[in-house]
Amino acid sequence: DQQVKQNSPSLSVQEGRISILNCDYTNSMFDYFLWYKKYPAEGPTFLISISSIKDKNEDGRFTVFLNKSAKHLSLHIVPSQPGDSAVYFCAASEGTGGGNKLTFGTGTQLKVEL
Amino acid sequence: NAGVTQTPKFQVLKTGQSMTLQCAQDMNHNSMYWYRQDPGMGLRLIYYSASEGTTDKGEVPNGYNVSRLNKREFSLRLESAAPSQTSVYFCASPGQSSYEQYFGPGTRLTVT
Repeated sequence: DQQVKQNSPSLSVQEGRISILNCDYTNSMFDYFLWYKKYPAEGPTFLISISSIKDKNEDGRFTVFLNKSAKHLSLHIVPSQPGDSAVYFCAASEGTGGGNKLTFGTGTQLKVEL
Repeated sequence: NAGVTQTPKFQVLKTGQSMTLQCAQDMNHNSMYWYRQDPGMGLRLIYYSASEGTTDKGEVPNGYNVSRLNKREFSLRLESAAPSQTSVYFCASPGQSSYEQYFGPGTRLTVT
């Protein structure tokens, strides 16, 4: 069963607008959530994270929101830039007790158009 | 991807052949991880090592073996490759916090 789900395989946004990428999870033991960005032929790059004790974390143009009751998180990118075009993966961790292993979603391909 | 290196970058195998994927990290971390990425599947954990001398199975361990040679190196071995193991393989090690993982550049493996 897929414990971390990204239901939108792709998203297209105009440059300067907001990009919103969504992620849902089912495992209540997850206590830390991360977003990774991946360009073709490269490894995933860590982007931003949030602890389950928070509901928002911001880093420059990137903000992650967590709604624990709905088991939902989202990544907001504003303003979107052409260089943001990549695949974005949501990931979740059970923390040290779970070996700090990451469970990934299937990814969302973001395309930022001029 | 700084600090995590993988070799080779590309490999083509025939069914039944064996090979070892190498991973090394220079960040002096205890934990290391092997993932595979397939289209539409995201990244899935194959094996991980919480410390030198220990290894544990992840979500998709069948057909693979691992060795934590020392704190720096963690290798993944395919004893008898199958077409279903065609994938991109990533090695990872913790980043600034134990929750974050930094990934190597990947090994693209094709089994014919």
